[in-house]
Amino acid sequence: EPEVTQTPSHQVTQMGQEVILRCVPISNHLYFYWYRQILGQKVEFLVSFYNNEISEKSEIFDDQFSVERPDGSNFTLKIRSTKLEDSAMYFCASSEGAGGSGYTFGSGTRLTVV
Amino acid sequence: AQSVTQPDIHITVSEGASLELRCNYSYGATPYLFWYVQSPGQGLQLLLKYFSGDTLVQGIKGFEAEFKRSQSSFNLRKPSVHWSDAAEYFCAVGTSTSGTYKYIFGTGTRLKVLA
Repeated sequence: EPEVTQTPSHQVTQMGQEVILRCVPISNHLYFYWYRQILGQKVEFLVSFYNNEISEKSEIFDDQFSVERPDGSNFTLKIRSTKLEDSAMYFCASSEGAGGSGYTFGSGTRLTVV
Repeated sequence: AQSVTQPDIHITVSEGASLELRCNYSYGATPYLFWYVQSPGQGLQLLLKYFSGDTLVQGIKGFEAEFKRSQSSFNLRKPSVHWSDAAEYFCAVGTSTSGTYKYIFGTGTRLKVLA
């Protein structure tokens, strides 16, 4: 069964450093998403991306965050200057259609900011 | 504002017993509803979804859920739980303002299964 692949599975970074979280969506999917889950809290929407542009972003997705599809297979989330509160599990997801039928999620990247 | 409530943070059942996980939503229009499961170290796996038609929907792994508009509920059920069902279960409502659906998740219910 096709999978969404996320790398790395765990990343530790120092406060103020830039991090890039990488995702390989399912190859025929056209819509891409990032969500995050702070330990003990809800899974929260960050951003959706379609046709090489952001479709929607949440209040969390401020100027420190950016997304990119640098080639035909990768989808990345960049956090420019990490803060302690960015520590969370970040999930990438993709969908063939606009998401009304469900997404396929990756297994997540646990980001720890120290 | 749209929201999803899962009232039970933890549930423990014996293997072979029946299971019901509760989910209530708040959404103005006809909701797109989902249940996802997360096993340790794994991503979120779609169990089932509802957006129209028959209000009782069947999913993978023997799970089903019933949409009740009058109660704003979408409870997940399984007649006989297996030890491998121990995981965290998330209910979600899909909303769209941009043409793309984003999901609002509940806080999750962690299921423990006793042998």
